[in-house]
Amino acid sequence: QKEVEQNSGPLSVPEGAIASLNCTYSDRGSQSFFWYRQYSGKSPELIMSIYSNGDKEDGRFTAQLNKASQYVSLLIRDSQPSDSATYLCAVNSVNKFYFGSGTKLNVKP
Amino acid sequence: DAGVTQSPTHLIKTRGQQVTLRCSPKSGHDTVSWYQQALGQGPQFIFQYYEEEERQRGNFPDRFSGHQFPNYSSELNVNALLLGDSALYLCASSFQGASDTQYFGPGTRLTVL
Repeated sequence: QKEVEQNSGPLSVPEGAIASLNCTYSDRGSQSFFWYRQYSGKSPELIMSIYSNGDKEDGRFTAQLNKASQYVSLLIRDSQPSDSATYLCAVNSVNKFYFGSGTKLNVKP
Repeated sequence: DAGVTQSPTHLIKTRGQQVTLRCSPKSGHDTVSWYQQALGQGPQFIFQYYEEEERQRGNFPDRFSGHQFPNYSSELNVNALLLGDSALYLCASSFQGASDTQYFGPGTRLTVL
């Protein structure tokens, strides 16, 4: 079983819509959770971090964490074509970082 | 504010050779982690260095080794290269006080022929 699971996509949404990205993890002892964005041929860029249950908002991005369900999500409001990228979910468990394989998001103009 | 830098950008080696990749952390950061990212996959954690010691290690063989210098920069060494070692190697830095907020460098693309 993989430590972090994501739907590989692609997820296609029209410009201006809400994109919803999901991630599940296996280690209940995981302490912190991250979303990274990776454009093709580039390195991952940190978007959001979340440490406690509930929602955390930053501009057009909202991260949601549910530790009981071992579930993390990222909502992107008012999606733009420039948001088209692969979104990586990452989990920190005792200073070891586990990444999912990423979900490819396509935002169509 | 200088970000994370890595060298070289690209590298081509043949099977059996050895390679050294280098990383300078973001200014103010003292912790360096290395990742291997194969095409279409997420980054896989290799190891993390803090205070010049390997603090954590992922599921990688001993062919993968590293070092951290007093100025916090780091090297990743891979011996006896295999075709399967072809990947993007990413370095990420963080500050111990916030050791889980990592910032990635641009990566080194290694091709093993």
